[in-house]
Amino acid sequence: GAGVSQSPSNKVTEKGKDVELRCDPISGHTALYWYRQSLGQGLEFLIYFQGNSAPDKSGLPSDRFSAERTGGSVSTLTIQRTQQEDSAVYLCASSQREDRGGYTFGSGTRLTVV
Amino acid sequence: GENVEQHPSTLSVQEGDSAVIKCTYSDSASNYFPWYKQELGKGPQLIIDIRSNVGEKKDQRIAVTLNKTAKHFSLHITETQPEDSAVYFCAALIYNQGGKLIFGQGTELSVKP
Repeated sequence: GAGVSQSPSNKVTEKGKDVELRCDPISGHTALYWYRQSLGQGLEFLIYFQGNSAPDKSGLPSDRFSAERTGGSVSTLTIQRTQQEDSAVYLCASSQREDRGGYTFGSGTRLTVV
Repeated sequence: GENVEQHPSTLSVQEGDSAVIKCTYSDSASNYFPWYKQELGKGPQLIIDIRSNVGEKKDQRIAVTLNKTAKHFSLHITETQPEDSAVYFCAALIYNQGGKLIFGQGTELSVKP
């Protein structure tokens, strides 16, 4: 596609429910990254994919967070048993190569846990 | 691991003035330094970047300078306009660690007409 697409753009969920956030990267981009941005804060790295494998999951805050990528394209970030502190904007980015920067970000999913 | 510090956190300038945002990084192995602009409700957008083999790069009204010895880099915006108002993030790439960008905390720039 022309850009990185994320869905949904907004998600309100009840505490304890599971949520899935989707990222559709730019076609041909092999690297895909997930970041979290809390209100008024910087971007916190969560996980990155090279193809379908995730060499670095070091930023996932707890075992309630998981992500997968299939077909070297779409990625899903899943948060189980959501907590209020999970409320944030979840941003996805893709790049042509993992070591060259040049990220293109999506517009993010704003998650609110009530 | 890499740590990026960004200053100031907020910056207010008059239209037409210059704005400077500064960042320092800790990992001397970092070799790629992008700047992103984030408008309200949108994802960050790359506006300029610099690699460690150059000291300065310009693109119209924006420029970035890099001092590898001191491990700091700066964003310069000249002739600021109201549409420059946004949050700006600097970042550093940890080479050989999958292209993971480490971001500064952001600077909210306000350009007053």
